[in-house]
Amino acid sequence: EPEVTQTPSHQVTQMGQEVILRCVPISNHLYFYWYRQILGQKVEFLVSFYNNEISEKSEIFDDQFSVERPDGSNFTLKIRSTKLEDSAMYFCASSDQGGNEQFFGPGTRLTVL
Amino acid sequence: QKEVEQDPGPLSVPEGAIVSLNCTYSNSAFQYFMWYRQYSRKGPELLMYTYSSGNKEDGRFTAQVDKSSKYISLFIRDSQPSDSATYLCALMNTGFQKLVFGTGTRLLVSP
Repeated sequence: EPEVTQTPSHQVTQMGQEVILRCVPISNHLYFYWYRQILGQKVEFLVSFYNNEISEKSEIFDDQFSVERPDGSNFTLKIRSTKLEDSAMYFCASSDQGGNEQFFGPGTRLTVL
Repeated sequence: QKEVEQDPGPLSVPEGAIVSLNCTYSNSAFQYFMWYRQYSRKGPELLMYTYSSGNKEDGRFTAQVDKSSKYISLFIRDSQPSDSATYLCALMNTGFQKLVFGTGTRLLVSP
């Protein structure tokens, strides 16, 4: 069964460093998303991406964040200058329609020291 | 009032019990209702997806939506220890793409 994959599973970084989280969505899907989940809190929407542009973003997704689809298979989330409060699980998701059924990857645990 | 509210649990039941999990919401514009299952430190797994009101059944799982009461439910019949996980409701407006999640209810099914 096709699935969303994410790398790395765990990323440790120093405050102020840039990180790139990578995702490979399900191959025939057209819509891509990033969510995050701070430990013990709810899953929160960050951004959605369709047709090579951001279609929706939350107030969390500020200028420190960016997304890119550098090729036909990968979808990345970049955090330019990490803060302690960026420590969370980051989930990539994809869907083949306008977001109605979103399938999530296993997540990348980001730890900012 | 929170946009989506969900009792965090934990909810402990014996194997074979019928489980009822619920969410309430405040925004009447929500039209799409999803239930996800999340095992510890894993990604959410889509269980059920419902559009607008009504019931939907898939095996041991039944999802119900009551838009007039802004109340959604997930029922699990013949619960198994492998059903032990956190169950998240997630809602979405028409024309938007972001899912709004509840906090999740932790379910423990004992053998």
